[in-house]
Amino acid sequence: DAGVIQSPRHEVTEMGQEVTLRCKPISGHNSLFWYRQTMMRGLELLIYFNNNVPIDDSGMPEDRFSAKMPNASFSTLKIQPSEPRDSAVYFCASSLVRLPGEQYFGPGTRLTVT
Amino acid sequence: DQQVKQNSPSLSVQEGRISILNCDYTNSMFDYFLWYKKYPAEGPTFLISISSIKDKNEDGRFTVFLNKSAKHLSLHIVPSQPGDSAVYFCAASIINDMRFGAGTRLTVKP
Repeated sequence: DAGVIQSPRHEVTEMGQEVTLRCKPISGHNSLFWYRQTMMRGLELLIYFNNNVPIDDSGMPEDRFSAKMPNASFSTLKIQPSEPRDSAVYFCASSLVRLPGEQYFGPGTRLTVT
Repeated sequence: DQQVKQNSPSLSVQEGRISILNCDYTNSMFDYFLWYKKYPAEGPTFLISISSIKDKNEDGRFTVFLNKSAKHLSLHIVPSQPGDSAVYFCAASIINDMRFGAGTRLTVKP
């Protein structure tokens, strides 16, 4: 298995632009998570899905952030418009809900907003 | 609100000695606790976990201890090896809702 796949690995964009991060979870996993890592706050859970349905989006910082999971093999995290304070590494992870906690992380997308 | 806290941002240990990484949590509803290890430019990888009904879990050189009354857990690495140098994240979960600490950077010196 290729593991969790994220694209792009690096994104540099200007303030105000729309940014879309993509994630392909491990086949057969039924839960998907988006995290953001910053120096100040460590790893923050943004949103998670069970069986493609958003369960908890309380970690999404603002309305500028949105996430979708149209099917079991694909999810997007969109920021519109982007701001410099959104600069961080964004991780996607997937798991089987019957195995609490053992999530498999992708390599992350490093986002820089100038 | 930080429900999981790792108060030591860094730790340096000599090769062969014990590394002890600490973590505190505030929510007594957490029922599963985990440690993840992260190398630069990679995603975190699962290392070891413990259920709230246990107080110790051991896997080779790694042992996790849970003190529920103190809401504290720790990771012991014995003996420490240079390859253990990484950032270690403590995490606590309720079913699928998992919260991470800010991480502790462990450096094991040869």
